[in-house]
Amino acid sequence: ILNVEQSPQSLHVQEGDSTNFTCSFPSSNFYALHWYRWETAKSPEALFVMTLNGDEKKKGRISATLNTKEGYSYLYIKGSQPEDSATYLCAPGTWTGNQFYFGTGTSLTVIP
Amino acid sequence: EAGVTQFPSHSVIEKGQTVTLRCDPISGHDNLYWYRRVMGKEIKFLLHFVKESKQDESGMPNNRFLAERTGGTYSTLKVQPAELEDSGVYFCASSQESGGLTDTQYFGPGTRLTVL
Repeated sequence: ILNVEQSPQSLHVQEGDSTNFTCSFPSSNFYALHWYRWETAKSPEALFVMTLNGDEKKKGRISATLNTKEGYSYLYIKGSQPEDSATYLCAPGTWTGNQFYFGTGTSLTVIP
Repeated sequence: EAGVTQFPSHSVIEKGQTVTLRCDPISGHDNLYWYRRVMGKEIKFLLHFVKESKQDESGMPNNRFLAERTGGTYSTLKVQPAELEDSGVYFCASSQESGGLTDTQYFGPGTRLTVL
C-alpha cells in the first residue's frame, strides 16, 4: 500500500486565475505517476503519465511536473475556466507492485 | 470509437441481496481493471484481467466478490451477499498495451451501488 496525499482537498478560484495543487508520495521504488481529471458521474479522464524525474508534461492550459527524488508532482492550470471544475486525481505506482494507488483528489471549483 | 461502458449506472439493493455489475471495455483492449471508491475515500484497485485470466486480484476485499471475464471481452463483478460497507462507486477501466504501470487506463463512468 502506498500513502498518497493530495493537497489541498478542495479549492475555489475565480475564472482567469491560475492555480496549482500537489500530489505527494513515497519516493522509494517510484515507477510512474498518472494524473486524471474526474467530473462526477462521468469517466475519469487521463491527463498525463509521468515517469522520469524532472518530467514536465503539458496539455493546453494544464501542465504537470514530477520530482521523484522528493516524491511529489504538481499540477498547474493556467487561466482557469469554469469547465476546468472537476476533481483532479493522482495515482503513482512502484517497481515493487503492479498497480497504482490513487490519492483522494483535489476538488477544483472555478467561479465564473 | 466507443469508450468503456458500465451497466447499470446506479443500483440500490438491500443488505443480503445479490448484485451483478457489468463492464464492456474498449474493443481490442486485453487489460481490464476493476476499482472501487467508497464515499470520501480514494479509488482502490480490486483486480486486473489480461484477456480472460486474472492477473492480479489482490485488491478484492473478500470472497463475497466474484469477477469474471469469460471470452476475454466484457466482465462482470458479482457481490453476493451485499453488505452495507459495499456501497460505493465501482469503476472499470481498460488498456490496450502491456498491462504495466505506464499504460493509460481508460475508465468507464462507474456504477454507483447503494446497499440499504
